Amino acid sequence: SQQGEEDPQALSIQEGENATMNCSYKTSINNLQWYRQNSGRGLVHLILIRSNEREKHSGRLRVTLDTSKKSSSLLITASRAADTASYFCATSGGSYIPTFGRGTSLIVHP
Amino acid sequence: EPEVTQTPSHQVTQMGQEVILRCVPISNHLYFYWYRQILGQKVEFLVSFYNNEISEKSEIFDDQFSVERPDGSNFTLKIRSTKLEDSAMYFCASSQGLDYGYTFGSGTRLTVV
Repeated sequence: SQQGEEDPQALSIQEGENATMNCSYKTSINNLQWYRQNSGRGLVHLILIRSNEREKHSGRLRVTLDTSKKSSSLLITASRAADTASYFCATSGGSYIPTFGRGTSLIVHP
Repeated sequence: EPEVTQTPSHQVTQMGQEVILRCVPISNHLYFYWYRQILGQKVEFLVSFYNNEISEKSEIFDDQFSVERPDGSNFTLKIRSTKLEDSAMYFCASSQGLDYGYTFGSGTRLTVV
């Protein structure tokens, strides 16, 4: 299966700390995307990283991709209570249809 | 910022009834998708639509499901005869191209009773 699996399943940190979430997948990909979902809401696209890229930044977010290890990480620096959400990685192979993992539930305590 | 609009936000229907979920994708996007998320479970791909036809569909998207783009703006998902297990959050999404991120709508919560 191509889908990514996030690790850890749940993460609880204090405001101001960094949060790191990992995603591992099994087959080759064209791109990997990270999304955020607040409880009961839609998915918000955070970053897309293509298979020939190794790192991307967007504000407080940093995504890395290691295709040799078939893994990606999402780092949120200086976390805020508003970052509390579920974070999903979605991998796309030949058909470019993203397949979602089960997500990491992040709680940031004020 | 442009957004994907879904209506209704909640729909309750009786088993066996037909439902139509509506979506207005972002106007300059070319690819349209439906996903669903059963409570507490993963987001699952249903179907993708490009150039007025289905480009990919999953095993979930059986003969009970259909999609349509009846005009230049709307994109609909029809479930012909709903079952209890169709109860889920249904998300519409659109993208500029294959190698681009998706913009998701806020979802329609479908409850089949």
